[in-house]
Amino acid sequence: EPEVTQTPSHQVTQMGQEVILRCVPISNHLYFYWYRQILGQKVEFLVSFYNNEISEKSEIFDDQFSVERPDGSNFTLKIRSTKLEDSAMYFCASSELESTEAFFGQGTRLTVV
Amino acid sequence: AQSVTQPDIHITVSEGASLELRCNYSYGATPYLFWYVQSPGQGLQLLLKYFSGDTLVQGIKGFEAEFKRSQSSFNLRKPSVHWSDAAEYFCAVVGAEYGNKLVFGAGTILRVKS
Repeated sequence: EPEVTQTPSHQVTQMGQEVILRCVPISNHLYFYWYRQILGQKVEFLVSFYNNEISEKSEIFDDQFSVERPDGSNFTLKIRSTKLEDSAMYFCASSELESTEAFFGQGTRLTVV
Repeated sequence: AQSVTQPDIHITVSEGASLELRCNYSYGATPYLFWYVQSPGQGLQLLLKYFSGDTLVQGIKGFEAEFKRSQSSFNLRKPSVHWSDAAEYFCAVVGAEYGNKLVFGAGTILRVKS
């Protein structure tokens, strides 16, 4: 069964460093998303991506964040200068069509120290 | 503001007992509705979804959910809980008023006692 894969599963980084979280969405899906879940809190939308551009972003997704689809398979989330409060589980998701069910990866747990 | 409410933060049930997890949404029209499950340290797995049609939907792992328009609810049920069902359950909606992205409830942690 096709699945969304994310790497790495865990990442520890120092405050101020750049991190790139990687995702391989399901191959025939057209919509890609990043969500995050701070420990003990709800899952929050960060950004959606379609046709090689951002289609929507939340207020969380400020200038520190960027997304890219550098090739036909990967979808990345970059945080330029990490802050302690960026520590969270980051989930990538993809869907075949807009507003249909999204399939989630296993997540990357980012710890900023 | 549009929102998804899961009023129960924690629920504990005995193995073999029935389960109902509540979800209410505020929305002008009928959104698409989903339940996801997250086991400890794992990602989000889709249990079931409602788009239209029959208001009682069946999902994986023996779960079902019923959409009630009059109550703006989409409660998740299972007739007999297994210890492996212990996890966190998230209700989520997608709709134009939500910007066509998934909006999640706060989650309900299910504990199963033997």
